[in-house]
Amino acid sequence: ETGVTQSPTHLIKTRGQQVTLRCSSQSGHNTVSWYQQALGQGPQFIFQYYREEENGRGNFPPRFSGLQFPNYSSELNVNALELDDSALYLCASSLGQVKNIQYFGAGTRLSVL
Amino acid sequence: KNEVEQSPQNLTAQEGEFITINCSYSVGISALHWLQQHPGGGIVSLFMLSSGKKKHGRLIATINIQEKHSSLHITASHPRDSAVYICAVTQGGSEKLVFGKGTKLTVNP
Repeated sequence: ETGVTQSPTHLIKTRGQQVTLRCSSQSGHNTVSWYQQALGQGPQFIFQYYREEENGRGNFPPRFSGLQFPNYSSELNVNALELDDSALYLCASSLGQVKNIQYFGAGTRLSVL
Repeated sequence: KNEVEQSPQNLTAQEGEFITINCSYSVGISALHWLQQHPGGGIVSLFMLSSGKKKHGRLIATINIQEKHSSLHITASHPRDSAVYICAVTQGGSEKLVFGKGTKLTVNP
């Protein structure tokens, strides 16, 4: 148990739809990062939030957006879903920005049909 | 070329064998992480290191900063060690993890 929970665990959407994935950080952790893991690949960094502000972004289009709330929980929103968005979406929380262990949730598996 | 390369991609061992998984990286790093991912997706952090060697139970991680190389060793391997082992690095001033593709380990009884 890492103390990081993600919801939902599985989700099926159709192309063009929008989706919101949620992450509840470990207590006291002010930093959350989101990753996309395609089948058979390592996770790819989407973005990171630190104290409610975006603090770095990977090579993902603007239709991937996020939010971090005052309680440090977080959302990942994806608009205009494409088939290639099918993946496991992982969030990870940590305390602070530098050289801290990240604690991962179990992920949300998104299938886009 | 990926910034983080792991070898081998797949590894099958018999219970009790000594396992080594290798990771090479091509960028400057602030820390290197070894993580374990079980079927179903959950990722667990095993080690974070920036120099030397760390040990936890049957797991040992080493890093050579000059050679930009790290190894994860598992002594007396057990079927419950079967998982994907992932090497990832963080670069100065950022918590962004850059991942290798992982090594799938299967330990047979």
